[in-house]
Amino acid sequence: GEDVEQSLFLSVREGDSSVINCTYTDSSSTYLYWYKQEPGAGLQLLTYIFSNMDMKQDQRLTVLLNKKDKHLSLRIADTQTGDSAIYFCAERGAGGYNKLIFGAGTRLAVHP
Amino acid sequence: DAGVIQSPRHEVTEMGQEVTLRCKPISGHNSLFWYRQTMMRGLELLIYFNNNVPIDDSGMPEDRFSAKMPNASFSTLKIQPSEPRDSAVYFCASSLILAGGEQYFGPGTRLTVT
Repeated sequence: GEDVEQSLFLSVREGDSSVINCTYTDSSSTYLYWYKQEPGAGLQLLTYIFSNMDMKQDQRLTVLLNKKDKHLSLRIADTQTGDSAIYFCAERGAGGYNKLIFGAGTRLAVHP
Repeated sequence: DAGVIQSPRHEVTEMGQEVTLRCKPISGHNSLFWYRQTMMRGLELLIYFNNNVPIDDSGMPEDRFSAKMPNASFSTLKIQPSEPRDSAVYFCASSLILAGGEQYFGPGTRLTVT
């Protein structure tokens, strides 16, 4: 079946790079997504990558996709305190209708 | 665009009362999703619609939960009767079925049932 797994917690120092990892099971996934959730808010779409791409960069964010290992990562360069949030990885599920399968979320804590 | 709109933002009710949560999707989107988020269970997909038709309600926890989408710009999630274990944040998200297919989330309704 479809499943997405993430580590639950990551702590980094301000100014360092953060790397959040995700594994998924559905090899037919066409799109994979990263969402950010700040306290008391909804999920905000950060970026997504099409399955025929290996990498996508958007300012401080870099997404890497390893289809062979079904591994997705999000790198945040020069991590700031404002980046502290929960980050969710998601894959587009089978069957159309844009159903997404979400991981449990990785809580990123940025400390001085 | 105003994004996905949900109301109320906060709801406190007593056990046994009926609760109705509302959602207005992004104009032009044709898929709508209801989620529930708790510390214990994380983010759960309850039900989703395409072109106002319910596609999959297998995530609805019990018959006390029901959802409708009478038109493309409005959906409701109703709990009747409510129980303390229904306390959670309920999110609505909308999407357009095209390449990309990303979902856009509303701010959520925080429900507390006492």
